[in-house]
Amino acid sequence: EIVLTQSPGTLSLSPGERATLSCRASQSVRSYLAWYQQKPGQAPRLLIYGASSRATGIPDRFSGSGSGTDFTLTISGLEPEDFAVYYCQQYGNLKTFGQGTKVEVK
Amino acid sequence: EVQLVESGGGLVQPGGSLRLSCAASGFTFSRYWMSWVRQAPGKGPEWVANIKQDGSDKGYVDSVKGRFTIARDNAKNSLDLQMNSLRAEDTAVYYCTREGHGGFDMWGQGTMVIVSS
Repeated sequence: EIVLTQSPGTLSLSPGERATLSCRASQSVRSYLAWYQQKPGQAPRLLIYGASSRATGIPDRFSGSGSGTDFTLTISGLEPEDFAVYYCQQYGNLKTFGQGTKVEVK
Repeated sequence: EVQLVESGGGLVQPGGSLRLSCAASGFTFSRYWMSWVRQAPGKGPEWVANIKQDGSDKGYVDSVKGRFTIARDNAKNSLDLQMNSLRAEDTAVYYCTREGHGGFDMWGQGTMVIVSS
């Protein structure tokens, strides 16, 4: 099983700041990596697939990068609605999720 | 409207069974792989099972193999998950999801399954 490790566990930032979230895979997943946003009481929402492609309707302040084992999700300027939990997920070998990074208001 | 609607969750005793259903609408259901993803309280999501467009290929996470069965009916635009020999660790919100070009691009609202005596 491919294990995804996300860091940091919690990111405390102010609106307008840049958020950088990391996801590391225990073995290569090539570019088969997705990112999701989840708010309390809601289902996760797909943000990024293929490591760097934005899903339909996702604002361009969200960007993804990386390949192989190291991936990054960047939010270029945090909006109030961006404070949430973010998960990475690989689909290169079955499917597994990371444990999540919470982006909270500083 | 494009949506997935789950049903069938509830409280069940350890060792019991439950059948979840998902009704799809607003898109061509038969063109997509479909999955069940669950999320235990306070935890991250966990992929449970998936099924190919024509039902000819299925996959399961190791922890549910031999206990859960995924099935679909393309004529009815429906996806099912039969869960047997349920354990406390199966307690979670179960989501019906669509697999798009990459990742799960569509999610239902979820149905809660509680396994407890």
